Amino acid sequence: DIQMTQSPSSLSASVGDRVTITCRASQGISNSLAWYQQKPGKVPKLLIYAASTLHSGVPSRFSGSGSATDFTLTISSLQPEDVATYYCQKYNTAPFTFGPGTRVEIK
Amino acid sequence: QVQLVESGGGVVQPGRSLRLSCAGSGFTFSNYAMNWVRQTPGKGLDWVAVILYDGGDKYYADSVKGRFTISRDNSKNTLFLQMNSLRPEDTAIYYCARRDCTSGICYSSLWGQGTLVTVSS
Repeated sequence: DIQMTQSPSSLSASVGDRVTITCRASQGISNSLAWYQQKPGKVPKLLIYAASTLHSGVPSRFSGSGSATDFTLTISSLQPEDVATYYCQKYNTAPFTFGPGTRVEIK
Repeated sequence: QVQLVESGGGVVQPGRSLRLSCAGSGFTFSNYAMNWVRQTPGKGLDWVAVILYDGGDKYYADSVKGRFTISRDNSKNTLFLQMNSLRPEDTAIYYCARRDCTSGICYSSLWGQGTLVTVSS
């Protein structure tokens, strides 16, 4: 099965900073990747699908890129409401594995 | 409104069984594949199983294969997860999530609120 990894596992940044999270697949998955945001105590929320397509209603400061094995989620200007854990997930073939998550905090 | 509502969680002893349900409303339930995803409190998301729209194909995570069974009743807009031979490591919040696919592009934009399963003696 394809394994998903994320780095870093956590980060602390200042409001207004540019934040980048990396997701790596152990084998190529084309652009079959989604990103989710989960705030403490809340249900996961879809941010991006097809590696780079912003889901409806998601602020434009979020963006995604990559293909095959290497993907990134970027927050162009970190806001206090972006404190959350971010997960990538492959969805081309089962198992639809999630990455281990990246916790984002405000410095 | 468009929503998924899970039920059936609770405290169960190791080795026992439990069946979770997920009721969909506000959308054509039979048009969508459905997932179960779980999350141990304080830990990451763990995909469990998926069932295609007509119930014909099902896939499972290795950690639950042979113990859990996913099924659906489209006449009742309901998804199920039958969990047998439960282990303490199955303790988690269980979410159902709709699998939205168009031209090979898929994602889960609709999630339930989750139901907590605790496996403990």
